Amino acid sequence: GQSLEQPSEVTAVEGAIVQINCTYQTSGFYGLSWYQQHDGGAPTFLSYNALDGLEETGRFSSFLSRSDSYGYLLLQELQMKDSASYFCAVLNNNDMRFGAGTRLTVKP
Amino acid sequence: ETGVTQSPTHLIKTRGQQVTLRCSSQSGHNTVSWYQQALGQGPQFIFQYYREEENGRGNFPPRFSGLQFPNYSSELNVNALELDDSALYLCASSGGTGDEQFFGPGTRLTVL
Repeated sequence: GQSLEQPSEVTAVEGAIVQINCTYQTSGFYGLSWYQQHDGGAPTFLSYNALDGLEETGRFSSFLSRSDSYGYLLLQELQMKDSASYFCAVLNNNDMRFGAGTRLTVKP
Repeated sequence: ETGVTQSPTHLIKTRGQQVTLRCSSQSGHNTVSWYQQALGQGPQFIFQYYREEENGRGNFPPRFSGLQFPNYSSELNVNALELDDSALYLCASSGGTGDEQFFGPGTRLTVL
């Protein structure tokens, strides 16, 4: 079967760093994506890792270890606007499977 | 460049009815995927269309069906609606590699 596990909630303060982990079990793995979704909005793409290692895009970084079936999203210099749900998603042969999401709350 | 659009925004139906949701993909994208998102959950993959052919399907019954047109726009049809079909339906387009998907704003379906 296929499954993705990520924490349901994370809370942090402005300016802090937070890491959201994702472990997956799947077949036909191509890569791991991260999406952000604000309440009432559509998911928006943050990053994609097909190979092991760290990808950095501004304040956000994403890491993948294919051998461990594990990845994480790192958010630095947190801002209030980062409060949202974050989803990891596995790209398989012809579909993308999403985790249940991690709700990040950033406090002043 | 026009983004992904969906219609209608909201829809209310009763059990047993049929519904058609529509999606226009982003310019230049030939792949459209449909997702169902229940409140507080992640998007669940329904199916994907690539150049008018179904290219992958999630764990949804046959009463969920779709179409993709030559201009790469798409429809999702759901027959014999059930209460549990109440959800946000999202479509996403991509340029074929699938690593970055661009989501539309979704259609909120309520089944009474």
